[in-house]
Amino acid sequence: GNSVTQMEGPVTLSEEAFLTINCTYTATGYPSLFWYVQYPGEGLQLLLKATKADDKGSNKGFEATYRKETTSFHLEKGSVQVSDSAVYFCALRGSNYKLTFGKGTLLTVNP
Amino acid sequence: AAGVIQSPRHLIKEKRETATLKCYPIPRHDTVYWYQQGPGQDPQFLISFYEKMQSDKGSIPDRFSAQQFSDYHSELNMSSLELGDSALYFCASSPQFGRGETQYFGPGTRLLVL
Repeated sequence: GNSVTQMEGPVTLSEEAFLTINCTYTATGYPSLFWYVQYPGEGLQLLLKATKADDKGSNKGFEATYRKETTSFHLEKGSVQVSDSAVYFCALRGSNYKLTFGKGTLLTVNP
Repeated sequence: AAGVIQSPRHLIKEKRETATLKCYPIPRHDTVYWYQQGPGQDPQFLISFYEKMQSDKGSIPDRFSAQQFSDYHSELNMSSLELGDSALYFCASSPQFGRGETQYFGPGTRLLVL
């Protein structure tokens, strides 16, 4: 079945530091890949997505590239802000359409 | 822009009681998904509906049932509640039953079973 393995946190960074959260997946066929963000006490918000190999999703300074050869979709941001503190979930959507999530990575950014 | 609406936002029940969670998808979205997120856990898929028909089923207990109505809203009915059912329940909707379509999540219903 489908699975997502995500770098476990927590991750603590200083403001303006570089962020990478690793995500790899196992899936049959050609899944779509997503990053969702969950702020404290809130629901899941779509951060970015990529639907085919070599696609790059980007939003709010975050980027992730769909790498089929390494089955990866790592999230990066060049300069994090305190407001980026949240839990980040990598997810895939396969042929059965449901989302399979990674375990989530808690990011804390200190001023 | 309109978002997914879930009600109630918070619910407290006793063991063995029943609960009904409601989800109103984004207008013109015909597909609804339900997920359960336990404390500190990743969301787990429960069930989905497309055009009022069940389209997929995940790890949903037999005590739970769900349906999608003619106006596309969906309800998750939970009976004989157990302590382990305490979780955040998300509904998501998408515009088409397609592989690439994004699922937009509601704010969730936080259920506490005492």
